[in-house]
Amino acid sequence: KAGVTQTPRYLIKTRGQQVTLSCSPISGHRSVSWYQQTPGQGLQFLFEYFSETQRNKGNFPGRFSGRQFSNSRSEMNVSTLELGDSALYLCASSPWTSGRSEQYFGPGTRLTVT
Amino acid sequence: AQKITQTQPGMFVQEKEAVTLDCTYDTSDPSYGLFWYKQPSSGEMIFLIYQGSYDQQNATEGRYSLNFQKARKSANLVISASQLGDSAMYFCAMREEDYGGSQGNLIFGKGTKLSVKP
Repeated sequence: KAGVTQTPRYLIKTRGQQVTLSCSPISGHRSVSWYQQTPGQGLQFLFEYFSETQRNKGNFPGRFSGRQFSNSRSEMNVSTLELGDSALYLCASSPWTSGRSEQYFGPGTRLTVT
Repeated sequence: AQKITQTQPGMFVQEKEAVTLDCTYDTSDPSYGLFWYKQPSSGEMIFLIYQGSYDQQNATEGRYSLNFQKARKSANLVISASQLGDSAMYFCAMREEDYGGSQGNLIFGKGTKLSVKP
């Protein structure tokens, strides 16, 4: 079974631009979560989607948004990029949203904002 | 509020020896899950082991075992017979588990960088 895939793997953007990152979960997984990883703040939760609905949201400004499609693929968008948005963005999928289930992570998208 | 503490920023271990990575947590929720992930330099987070708050026995997965001490709120990862490929960042994480709704998000510790010496 194919793992979680994220595209693109690397991205360089300029301040003020917007960016869209994509995540394809493991086949059959319906929950997708997004995390931001930076050296200073570590790993922080952005949001979780299940069956096209946002179920949970972390403490990030409204510039960060996401969505999930009917095939469970998810995108996250960051508008008006700031230098501090430079990070590794990780997507994780799991089979369901309640109970005990581990999250399987993708390889991440490394975003650099200049 | 939930919190995960990993007090060892870096650890060294000799190849073939065992090593323990520390993790303490804080939560007021009676139902939670504890996870350990490995992150090599490539960046991908690799799931290693899971322990539920109601599990009676310590979790084991191959060379990985979790020393779960609920009263002390600790969930230390033990890696037996270390290999050079074990060199990586290791993250402890916790999630409240609501069986009736959203599973909640993972809260991660700052991580421990493990270096295995030949």
